Order: sequence, then C-alpha cells, then structure tokens
Amino acid sequence: KAGVTQTPRYLIKTRGQQVTLSCSPISGHRSVSWYQQTPGQGLQFLFEYFSETQRNKGNFPGRFSGRQFSNSRSEMNVSTLELGDSALYLCASSSQGAQTNEKLFFGSGTQLSVL
Amino acid sequence: AQSVTQLGSHVSVSEGALVLLRCNYSSSVPPYLFWYVQYPNQGLQLLLKYTTGATLVKGINGFEAEFKKSETSFHLTKPSAHMSDAAEYFCAVNSNAGNMLTFGGGTRLMVKP
Repeated sequence: KAGVTQTPRYLIKTRGQQVTLSCSPISGHRSVSWYQQTPGQGLQFLFEYFSETQRNKGNFPGRFSGRQFSNSRSEMNVSTLELGDSALYLCASSSQGAQTNEKLFFGSGTQLSVL
Repeated sequence: AQSVTQLGSHVSVSEGALVLLRCNYSSSVPPYLFWYVQYPNQGLQLLLKYTTGATLVKGINGFEAEFKKSETSFHLTKPSAHMSDAAEYFCAVNSNAGNMLTFGGGTRLMVKP
C-alpha cells in the first residue's frame, strides 16, 4: 500500500502570496490531519477532516483553511503569507472508520519557505 | 486543556546504554498517550501508544513506555541504544474526540559509538 503522499515537497513563496498544499492519504483512510512544524513552536495541530467534514480545528488564524474531497484527498490553503508561516507542513491519515486515537501515518511533509 | 512537557531537548547516550526520554502531560480527562519518532527529512512514525488497560506499553524497535497516572508521566525507555535510534522523539497526548494531538517540544537523541 502506498503511504501518505504530500506535494509539492518544497515551496518558495513571497509575503502576501497564497499557497495550496496537497495530501493524498493511504487508500481507505478517511481521516486526514494537518500539522505545522517549526523550530520555535514545534508541532502544532491545524485541522482534521473526516469524510469531507472538519472534525477538529487548532488555534490558527483564518488565513489557514483546508478541505477534503470525496476521495479523501485533502488540501490546505494559506492566504496572505507571512514570514512566520515558513514551516514544514505535515499531513497524517488514519482510520478506515470513525474511530479516534488511532495510529497516525505521516507523510514526509511540504517545506514552505516564505521570503 | 491538555499539554505535554518533554524534559531535555537533547539527550546523548553511548551505544548499548539505557535510553530514557522523559514526558509529563497535563489533561483534565483520562488521556491517550503516544510516542512518535522522526528521522531526518521524514514524517513521524508511531512507536507506541497507551489507551487503556496495561500501563506498560511495548512498541516497535525495542522501545517501551510506562503510564504513571499519579506522576502524570509517560517516559520512554529502551534497554540498549543502537546507532540507528538517533532521531527526534515526540510525546503526544489526546484527550478529545478525533485525532487532534498535542505534542511536546521533542527530544533529539544522539547515540555515540
């Protein structure tokens, strides 16, 4: 089975632009979560989607948004980029059902640099 | 509210020595606890998790952790370190519905030959 696939692997943007990151979960997984990883703040939860519905949301401004499609693929969007948005964005998938606290399978991440 | 504190951002051990990575959590309800490992330029991989039941949890690669409610701790141990164990380790807690994890700041484990 293929693992969690995130594209692109690297991105360079400038302040004020917007960016869209993509995540393809493991086949059959219906839960997709997004995390931001920075040296200063560590790993922080962004949001989780299950069956196209946002199930949980972290404490990030509205510039950060996401969605999930019927095939469970997910995208996250960041508008009006700021320097502080530079980070590794990790996607994780889990569960073929509605169970929670299941094992998360992480992708390798998208490294976003904002100049 | 929930939080996780990992004592020691860097831990260095010799190959063959005991590995002990410390994790303390705060949770208002019985927590689910996890340890993840991250190798360079990779995502995170689950080592082990505690949900309910036996408080000593065995994971992959010879790691184990013990849930101590009275100490609000979930320390990770391995009897004998290997060079391949060098990585960053994250403790995480979830007290809510869904898969919303709160991670500790991470501990970078270095293994000396």
